[in-house]
Formats: sequence, structure tokens, C-alpha cells
Amino acid sequence: DTAVSQTPKYLVTQMGNDKSIKCEQNLGHDTMYWYKQDSKKFLKIMFSYNNKELIINETVPNRFSPKSPDKAHLNLHINSLELGDSAVYFCASSPQLAGVSYEQYFGPGTRLTVT
Amino acid sequence: GENVEQHPSTLSVQEGDSAVIKCTYSDSASNYFPWYKQELGKGPQLIIDIRSNVGEKKDQRIAVTLNKTAKHFSLHITETQPEDSAVYFCAASRGGSNFGNEKLTFGTGTRLTIIP
Repeated sequence: DTAVSQTPKYLVTQMGNDKSIKCEQNLGHDTMYWYKQDSKKFLKIMFSYNNKELIINETVPNRFSPKSPDKAHLNLHINSLELGDSAVYFCASSPQLAGVSYEQYFGPGTRLTVT
Repeated sequence: GENVEQHPSTLSVQEGDSAVIKCTYSDSASNYFPWYKQELGKGPQLIIDIRSNVGEKKDQRIAVTLNKTAKHFSLHITETQPEDSAVYFCAASRGGSNFGNEKLTFGTGTRLTIIP
């Protein structure tokens, strides 16, 4: 009974291609996130969505475009992939009350390798 | 913005001994401090968290302490076991003004190895 799932788990592609990563949560949470974890394990937030609305956009290149068709799904589309995009991308979700932080539940990650 | 520093980056302890990981944060408005454990090939998982109105919290072998004045917080694992081997991340967050902008800023991680 997976709480936060991502597909695919591994993605190998060439520079210049366009790819998408999908995320789904069955926890009923209103807020979802995308994080990037680099080769040194550093975790950095990219985006957050609340009820399908973009809330946080952390100076991510506009080649990255998140899309939330409904509050249970948050997808990440990446155009014109570059070598530096190679990383593990994590989706997360969280219950929210305005002004209060709560536990974030992370998915298993998608390892993206750009060659 | 918030900056979270975490030390040490690697830590090896004998099974049964205690492990301590320390973090400092810069934003005095931060009020939520979770600790995540990341096992190989998996996503981070919350193991314990603390809010700024509390100085210490325990859950079995795990405890977290918070010093708001000094802006640092620590994770303590007692009676360590091989399954405690993982990467541990601290994080800090301040309550946002709107839904969804309560951003977690993570530390750089500590790779903990338990030596049998």
C-alpha cells in the first residue's frame, strides 16, 4: 500500500531529450513537492504545490515544468536535458495547515542519468 | 534564507555505543526541526521531529534536543544497531504565511556506519 509512488525508478537518456517523471500520493495530502538530490546527497527543494497551485519555485531553470492535474498527482517534465540534470529526484507530500510545518512523506526517488 | 549546517559528515560507531549528530540553523524564525533517515536506494523517512516550544523529545532509542538560543539541535541514538546504518538528515522550517510554502531546508547529511 504505497503512500507516495514515483515512476520510473530509473531513467537514462541523452542530452537534449525531453522526459517526464510521475508522482502519485494516496495519503489525501494537499501539498506535494519535488526535491533534487545531487551526487553528494544534498537535498534541495525545487517546487511545492498546494491543491494544484504552484506555491514554491526555487530558482529552478524553466526547462523544468511541474504539473499537477489533481491534488494526488504531481508530475515533473524536463526539456532539453543537460548533463547537470543527472540526480535523484524525490517527490514528497505533506498535510498542511497554513503556517504550520508537518512531516513530509517521500517517494522512493527517480534516478535520472543524462549521457 | 535559512541555512542548516550538519556535522559530522561521516560517523562510525561500535554496535551498542551511542551516536550524536549536530545541526545549526541560521533563521531564528524556524520552528520545526525534523530528522530524516535515508537508507540506500530509498527516499528519506522521518524518524523524529521537534517543535520550538519543546527542548527535548524521545522515542525509544532516539532523542532530539533543541537549543533555540544557540540555534542548534542534535540527534542522539543510543544502543546503536546495524540497521541504524544510513544517511541522516536534519532540516529546519518556519511556518509559512500560506498553504504549501512551509519549506524544509536540509542539512548536508551524515553517513552513519555501525560497526558490528
